[in-house]
Amino acid sequence: DAGVTQSPTHLIKTRGQQVTLRCSPKSGHDTVSWYQQALGQGPQFIFQYYEEEERQRGNFPDRFSGHQFPNYSSELNVNALLLGDSALYLCASSGDRDYEQYFGPGTRLTVT
Amino acid sequence: AQSVAQPEDQVNVAEGNPLTVKCTYSVSGNPYLFWYVQYPNRGLQFLLKYITGDNLVKGSYGFEAEFNKSQTSFHLKKPSALVSDSALYFCAVRPKRVDRLAFGKGNQVVVIP
Repeated sequence: DAGVTQSPTHLIKTRGQQVTLRCSPKSGHDTVSWYQQALGQGPQFIFQYYEEEERQRGNFPDRFSGHQFPNYSSELNVNALLLGDSALYLCASSGDRDYEQYFGPGTRLTVT
Repeated sequence: AQSVAQPEDQVNVAEGNPLTVKCTYSVSGNPYLFWYVQYPNRGLQFLLKYITGDNLVKGSYGFEAEFNKSQTSFHLKKPSALVSDSALYFCAVRPKRVDRLAFGKGNQVVVIP
């Protein structure tokens, strides 16, 4: 049973560029959440997708957007990248019967 | 607003000694509480949760945590630490009707052989 998978593992982008990160949830899970973990900090909630719609959102600007596909996989898009967007981006999935969320290995984004 | 405090940046403990990682929280109502562990260049691994019932919950790898409602705390414990327990530990809270986690800043645990 595959857990949560994310791609790519690492990514280097330049300021002003756009980036797309991908996530496949754990088998049987239909809800995907995205978190940003800056160096030395705890993860911060970006948004959550359920039934292909954004269900809730944290305190992140509109440059951060997402999508969920019919197979429950999800994308996180960040436009007009800033140096401060450099972080580990974590995807987490959960199902109807779960209280906890299960995390993927993350994508390390470096903006230069 | 919800917040989680993990007051110590780093916890050093000798192998075989008891390990405690502290967590206090501030959130309305009775939240769900969690501990996660993160190894270098890895995502977060779920350790244990408190939902309701017995204040002492047991989790993976010999870890347990004690919920104290009056002190709004949820401290993580292990009776005998292993060198392999060296990692970054995060406490998280989740309001009952909202499926989103708020994390503390994390505690680096160093187990000394």
